[in-house]
Amino acid sequence: LAKTTQPISMDSYEGQEVNITCSHNNIATNDYITWYQQFPSQGPRFIIQGYKTKVTNEVASLFIPADRKSSTLSLPRVSLSDTAVYYCLVGAGRRALTFGSGTRLQVQP
Amino acid sequence: DAGVIQSPRHEVTEMGQEVTLRCKPISGHDYLFWYRQTMMRGLELLIYFNNNVPIDDSGMPEDRFSAKMPNASFSTLKIQPSEPRDSAVYFCASSSFSGTPLRNEQFFGPGTRLTVL
Repeated sequence: LAKTTQPISMDSYEGQEVNITCSHNNIATNDYITWYQQFPSQGPRFIIQGYKTKVTNEVASLFIPADRKSSTLSLPRVSLSDTAVYYCLVGAGRRALTFGSGTRLQVQP
Repeated sequence: DAGVIQSPRHEVTEMGQEVTLRCKPISGHDYLFWYRQTMMRGLELLIYFNNNVPIDDSGMPEDRFSAKMPNASFSTLKIQPSEPRDSAVYFCASSSFSGTPLRNEQFFGPGTRLTVL
């Protein structure tokens, strides 16, 4: 199983772009990169998933370099409501179940 | 769909008592997961089922923990006897891991906050 490494915490201000990077050096050929968001007192929620290059949805963008050994979740113009823990998972299907420690994002006014 | 349903939402019990947590997955999902979350250990996968069959229970901490899935719409996680160190939030999640490309999306329930005194 691919091991992931993320920063423990990050601080930002409202309106700024936030980039959270995840390292996954031993990612396998068939693995996808998936990001979840967890608010206090709630279960994690799927944000975005990608395999290579760039993926964008209404919530975030995911940048994956050609070697796929890392990925960056980009949150444009964060607000206070984006304060949460963000998890990077690597795998496919039943092999994408390890959440790790996550990155605690604190957005200040 | 109502999403993943868990009950109870909060449970306070005394050490030594039996605790049963319940989960109703999203209809049509063939995977069901039980996770435990604490400040110290984060979010840990305890066990998961595929088509009602336990596939991997390596995360179950010890024999005091057991999980069953008698049918596609119901699962239980039981702790007997409970201990203070079992205090945590227990999440149930379900998925179909379907789509092209494969979508690694798990749908989590609201969790059960267990306190063992």
